[in-house]
Amino acid sequence: DAGITQSPRHKVTETGTPVTLRCHQTENHRYMYWYRQDPGHGLRLIHYSYGVKDTDKGEVSDGYSVSRSKTEDFLLTLESATSSQTSVYFCAISANQGVEQFFGPGTRLTVL
Amino acid sequence: RKEVEQDPGPFNVPEGATVAFNCTYSNSASQSFFWYRQDCRKEPKLLMSVYSSGNEDGRFTAQLNRASQYISLLIRDSKLSDSATYLCVVKNFNKFYFGSGTKLNVKP
Repeated sequence: DAGITQSPRHKVTETGTPVTLRCHQTENHRYMYWYRQDPGHGLRLIHYSYGVKDTDKGEVSDGYSVSRSKTEDFLLTLESATSSQTSVYFCAISANQGVEQFFGPGTRLTVL
Repeated sequence: RKEVEQDPGPFNVPEGATVAFNCTYSNSASQSFFWYRQDCRKEPKLLMSVYSSGNEDGRFTAQLNRASQYISLLIRDSKLSDSATYLCVVKNFNKFYFGSGTKLNVKP
């Protein structure tokens, strides 16, 4: 299995609080991605990174920001969590464009 | 319109059956195609890439039809362990688009 970890694995928080999720990889892959998965929607891309300090928005980026200061770490921040951001969040990595992605184990986030 | 559409199922089949899933995509410029498998409450895992000429991996066969913009997955001799949700994935430029998944239940 690809070396990808996510932390925390579970989190319950309250509306209006900031939340940061961490993705850590040991594969030295260039590309990293954050997705959310909700019933009926499948996985939707939030943000992705194509190198250190290089990031771009996905299809559901509102309310989220990201940072990548090192190759191995990609952080996802919910600046002010809302109940609509209750979801399962997956991080993924890929070595190059066009090749397959490998996923982390996911973070279950509940916003009350 | 969604980038990738799949029949959500569930497909309920007996062990040993052959089952096929289709997936359609909307962007004719899509470059790469994949099938992933996802078990309940787990992360998606790559099942196979889909090549223009079609490709096979054991009991699994994937086909791509660019003219009609669909991808198929055929599973022969279904096993109980094949029960999962199968995700169709299409890549456009830097972004991957996932279907909502097709659920397969293989029964004894």
